[in-house]
Amino acid sequence: QVQLQESGPGLVKPSETLSLTCSVSGGSVSTGGNHWSWVRQPPGKGLEWIMSFSDTGSTNYSPSLKGRVTMSIDTSKNQFSLKLNSVTAADAAVYYCVNWNGNYFDYWGQGALVTVSS
Amino acid sequence: DIVVTQSPDSLAVSLGGRATINCKSSQSVLYTSNNKNYLAWYQQKPGQPPKLLIYWASTRESGVPERFSGSGSGTDFTLTISSLQAEDVAVYYCQQCYQTPLTFGGGTKVEIK
Repeated sequence: QVQLQESGPGLVKPSETLSLTCSVSGGSVSTGGNHWSWVRQPPGKGLEWIMSFSDTGSTNYSPSLKGRVTMSIDTSKNQFSLKLNSVTAADAAVYYCVNWNGNYFDYWGQGALVTVSS
Repeated sequence: DIVVTQSPDSLAVSLGGRATINCKSSQSVLYTSNNKNYLAWYQQKPGQPPKLLIYWASTRESGVPERFSGSGSGTDFTLTISSLQAEDVAVYYCQQCYQTPLTFGGGTKVEIK
């Protein structure tokens, strides 16, 4: 059973960069067919897909965040990471790392709450 | 972008009663080459991540109780909880995985009447 766990600072200052890492256990980030992804959820609101990155290097972005967001994969650590720059209060949310198997989101992390404040 | 619209925003159902949630996509999510609808349903309880219930519109994920069922094709879909239990109180989301950007419905909060 694949398990995902987010880690990173819970507080980011406005205009700075949000950085989160997702550690994968019970599976490999190098396994074909997986699209490692990030989804966020502002407090009390719905779910928003951010981006996905596959083992083949295929990358897909939410149009609203493209230009501010990047992902990377570290196969040696079995992790993938998200960077979102120039954050504002609107970026405050619970950030989930998720696996998209091409059909649906099958594995979710527990979520990491990120607050944006000076 | 495919817009996914859920209704109602919330509903209250008696224990043992039937809950029906609707989901409509702005364009078809039916992939004709394999005849599969790329529409999934998730359940989210407070303080927890979403949990996959249904994929391909009507295929129940392993371990999900049979009282949860999905139906529909093309642009119109339904999640039905046939006999609501106390543990089913949650917010339910539909999501299209037909094309990027992947999009979710706004969620439906299910409560006990």
